[in-house]
Amino acid sequence: QSALTQPASVSGSPGQSITISCTGTSSDVGSYNLVSWYQQHPGKAPKLMIYEVSKRPSGVSNRFSGSKSGNTASLTISGLQAEDEADYYCCSYAGSSTSVFGGGTKLTVL
Amino acid sequence: QVQLVQSGAEVKKPGASVKVSCKASGYTFTSYGISWVRQAPGQGLEWMGWISAYNGNTNYAQKLQGRVTMTTDTSTSTAYMELRSLRSDDTAVYYCARLSMVQGVIDWFDPWGQGTLVTVSS
Repeated sequence: QSALTQPASVSGSPGQSITISCTGTSSDVGSYNLVSWYQQHPGKAPKLMIYEVSKRPSGVSNRFSGSKSGNTASLTISGLQAEDEADYYCCSYAGSSTSVFGGGTKLTVL
Repeated sequence: QVQLVQSGAEVKKPGASVKVSCKASGYTFTSYGISWVRQAPGQGLEWMGWISAYNGNTNYAQKLQGRVTMTTDTSTSTAYMELRSLRSDDTAVYYCARLSMVQGVIDWFDPWGQGTLVTVSS
C-alpha cells in the first residue's frame, strides 16, 4: 500500500495555529476512525499525540487536536510553542491487520 | 512506567541476518502486541508488522514477507525482530512499539523503544 500524503513542511509563529493534513484513500483513512499522529524530535523516538482521529493520550497538551473528513485527516496545533518544532507523522489502519504511515511533515516554529 | 528498551546498534554485511530485541516493563506484556517500525536515514516511518504477545500471531508488511520474523519470549517480556538477507537499503533505525489492537484491528503505538541502528555495509 502507498504511504499517506502529508505536506513536506509547515511553519508558524509562536502563538499561532497550524494544521497538518494527511490524505489517504477509501481503503485506509476513509474507511476507519483509526488515524493516529506521532511527534518526533530529532534523534528521538516518535511519541503518540492523537489516536482514533481525535483522542488525546493522558499527558498530551490540549493544544493538539485531530479531525477527519472523508479521506483526509488533520492535526491542528494551537498556541504554537518553540518545543512543538518537530516532525509529525500520521498513521492509519489500512485493513487486513496492516497500518500505513504518512511521509512526515517538518514543523518549523519561526 | 511503561517502557521498551531495545538492544544496541549493529553493523552487518549484505546477505547477513540481524536480530533486534525489545524488553518491555511496566505493563502486562501479554495484554498487548508489539509492532516494529523502521526509519531509513533522513526518511519517514515504515510499518513492518506486528506480533501478538498473547498468542504469537503475526502479520508482516507485504514487502518484507519471507525475510522478517517476529517472536516473543513471554517469560522475559521480550520481543524480537529478525531480518534476513540484509541489503544496503535495510540500513535504518528499527523501533519497537507497544501496540493496541482488537481482533487484529490496529489502533495505536505507544510507547516506542529508543530505536536500534542497523547498518548494512560491505
